[in-house]
Amino acid sequence: DTGVSQNPRHKITKRGQNVTFRCDPISEHNRLYWYRQTLGQGPEFLTYFQNEAQLEKSRLLSDRFSAERPKGSFSTLEIQRTEQGDSAMYLCASSLSTSGSTDTQYFGPGTRLTVL
Amino acid sequence: GESVGLHLPTLSVQEGDNSIINCAYSNSASDYFIWYKQESGKGPQFIIDIRSNMDKRQGQRVTVLLNKTVKHLSLQIAATQPGDSAVYFCAESREFGNEKLTFGTGTRLTIIP
Repeated sequence: DTGVSQNPRHKITKRGQNVTFRCDPISEHNRLYWYRQTLGQGPEFLTYFQNEAQLEKSRLLSDRFSAERPKGSFSTLEIQRTEQGDSAMYLCASSLSTSGSTDTQYFGPGTRLTVL
Repeated sequence: GESVGLHLPTLSVQEGDNSIINCAYSNSASDYFIWYKQESGKGPQFIIDIRSNMDKRQGQRVTVLLNKTVKHLSLQIAATQPGDSAVYFCAESREFGNEKLTFGTGTRLTIIP
């Protein structure tokens, strides 16, 4: 399967614990995005990378959240000291950005986080 | 701030009929629009997109219409099938750059056999 993959698919944790999610984009896609989706809502943008550089972060991304893409391929999203309000589906998307073209974002299956 | 909204949260259509899902956007600077389909427990799946210099674009059984005058977007699905049952989101962005998508809340489409 050459689509975007995310691991784990489900994560249950206790409040105050740290969690880390991984996203593997489509091969050769230079852009990688993280979104958060709560029940009944559309995805909300969190941050994105062009290669290994993190170019934009949403106000939704508090200082407890950190994302990395160290080699410009896979990315990790870490949430420290989780709160119940962090419970959501965390979606990753990737795209191939080239000069003069619109890059379509393709989404992975998401990681569903439940904070007890 | 800018927002993308949907007129109807739910829509039920008889199998074989055509369906129309509507979406309004508020950011006049938006120039790229996308429709995604999301099935339960899955990530959004790209359906079709359209740039602001177009009024209509067709795909396989799907057509997207864009009315920039009233900032309205619609997705038409022809000859609906049970597999079309899902939540449909419209999203908007800038055409070049496309750093982030702004999604609406979604419309749940149910196909009645």
